[in-house]
Amino acid sequence: SYELTQPPSVSVSPGQTASITCSGDKLGDKYACWYQQKPGQSPVLVIFQDSKRPSGIPERFSGSNSGNTATLTISGTQAMDEADYYCQAWDSSTDSYVFGTGTKVTVL
Amino acid sequence: QVQLVQSGAEVKKPGASVKVSCKVSGYTLTELSIHWVRQAPGKGLEWMGGFDPEGGETIYAQKFQGRVTMTEDTSTDTAYMELRILRSEDTAMFYCTTHFQGETDAFHIWGQGTMVTVSS
Repeated sequence: SYELTQPPSVSVSPGQTASITCSGDKLGDKYACWYQQKPGQSPVLVIFQDSKRPSGIPERFSGSNSGNTATLTISGTQAMDEADYYCQAWDSSTDSYVFGTGTKVTVL
Repeated sequence: QVQLVQSGAEVKKPGASVKVSCKVSGYTLTELSIHWVRQAPGKGLEWMGGFDPEGGETIYAQKFQGRVTMTEDTSTDTAYMELRILRSEDTAMFYCTTHFQGETDAFHIWGQGTMVTVSS
């Protein structure tokens, strides 16, 4: 089965840049998206089709995807960005949507 | 504006079944592609299955095939997910979610979640 691997945790100081990676075999050949999930809340889509932001998502969220790695970047990180982040892609070989293992972002 | 409103929390005994509903508003069910995602306490997101608009059928994750059925009632714009033969490991939050405006690679809108507890 297809797997997407993320670092368990990332720490960032307020105002600095946080980068979260998502690794999978030939992930760059697929579209990657990213979700933010705060405690007790439903996930929220923050990036789709590698780098597009849904309406209402701040410009400080950006994404890229190449080779085996997709990256979510949060520029000028704010305390409100503290959350779990999950990547996700569609695997055509198994006809299934796959989520990454999740990364907890802590704003220190 | 699309909204997905799910049914309330459930407590079930091992071996029983649970059926969770997801009511669509703002759009009709036929304009969306409803999927279901499971999240065990303190764990990550797990796709269970959903409607594939390109194939015109419901697809299921291999892990849940044979134990889950996803249906839709277009007369009430409500989607359902039934999970059978429940075990303690099925204790989780279940979310309905959907693609939007033809973009099928991501899930744009999510319901509030339904907590299912499996306990004897």
